[in-house]
Order: sequence, then C-alpha cells, then structure tokens
Amino acid sequence: GQQLNQSPQSMFIQEGEDVSMNCTSSSIFNTWLWYKQDPGEGPVLLIALYKAGELTSNGRLTAQFGITRKDSFLNISASIPSDVGIYFCAGEGNTGKLIFGQGTTLQVKP
Amino acid sequence: ETGVTQTPRHLVMGMTNKKSLKCEQHLGHNAMYWYKQSAKKPLELMFVYSLEERVENNSVPSRFSPECPNSSHLFLHLHTLQPEDSALYLCASSQDRLAGLYNEQFFGPGTRLTVL
Repeated sequence: GQQLNQSPQSMFIQEGEDVSMNCTSSSIFNTWLWYKQDPGEGPVLLIALYKAGELTSNGRLTAQFGITRKDSFLNISASIPSDVGIYFCAGEGNTGKLIFGQGTTLQVKP
Repeated sequence: ETGVTQTPRHLVMGMTNKKSLKCEQHLGHNAMYWYKQSAKKPLELMFVYSLEERVENNSVPSRFSPECPNSSHLFLHLHTLQPEDSALYLCASSQDRLAGLYNEQFFGPGTRLTVL
C-alpha cells in the first residue's frame, strides 16, 4: 500500500533558525497536506497543496508539492518557541485515503 | 462551539469496562473519521463514515464499535479493551469522503485513553 517517509524524525534548533522537513512516497499523490500537532491536541491543518509544483505560504511557513507528485517539503523561517510541536505530512492518492507520515518533532531553544 | 469537539479528553478504564468516546462536528461536513495515534507511529485510520453510513473499517478489532447517529455526531464504543489499545483517539471530519480539492480533514483534540 501507499506509505510516506517523513524526515527528519526530530529536530532541536535555536530560535531564529530556519527549519526544513520533507516527505517522500513510492507512489503518486494528488494532494499533500501539512499538519501541526501541539501536545495534548489534535493535528491542525497548516497548508494544503493540490497541484504538482505548487508553492504555498502561510506566514513563516512555506510548502511545496513536488513535481514528481511523490514528495513535498515544509520550511519554517525564523523559528520561534511556539513553533514547537509535531509536524505531519499527509498525502491523498487515488484511493481517497489520507496517508500520514510518522511526524517530525520540533523543539526550539530560546 | 466550533470545529470538531471530543469528549472526554482523558479516560482511564479497566479491561472489563465499557465506555464510549464522543465526537461532534459543527462544520456541516458529511464525512467523519476515527483515528488511533500511538507513540512513534503514523496515525492509523480506523473507521470512515459518509452520510451516517460506515464506508470503511480498517481491520479494527470488534472490541471497538463505532456509531454514527447523524452527520454531526460520531461515537466509538469500547469494551474489553487491552492495554495495547492505550493511545490518543482522534476524530476528524471533512466535507466529503472522496478525494478532491478542498476536502481537507479537520481534527478534534482527541481522547487520551489508558487501559489498565
């Protein structure tokens, strides 16, 4: 079945640094979504991508839908302490199911 | 209330207990989902309901029993659970079940379940 490989698994960075994480798949997806989950809460949608090559920003966050439709990345610029959390990618292919990556745990040192 | 709500937020139960998790969405969506989130693992889709009809059951043990009385409410009935069932149970909703533009899933805060 379809699987996603998300990396890195965890990151520990200094406040103000930029962050980059990505997801890759062995199969094609039609939609890529990026979620953030705070401790004790459910995932919250950050960015949705619907077209290969699409580059979308949401404040300090930027995400891209890879040209091959098998990957996506999320960048966070000038990180701040409230960026701490777990970031999940999710892809939706022809099955209509949303497949999630394993998550990237981000810690930001003030 | 707005968005997707879940109750209770925390639940501790013994293996012989029967309990229910509740989810309510105020978004006018037609599809609702139950996910299980265990540490260090991707979210696992358990059940999908579309217009109150169960359309997907991902090989979930029968000790988990979903119920969708209307398009706004979703329950997960639990009985004779095992300690390995301890996890965060997340409810989500989307406009429709089928893949498509602007059909993102919106999640509730989850119920942290501990089975003793």
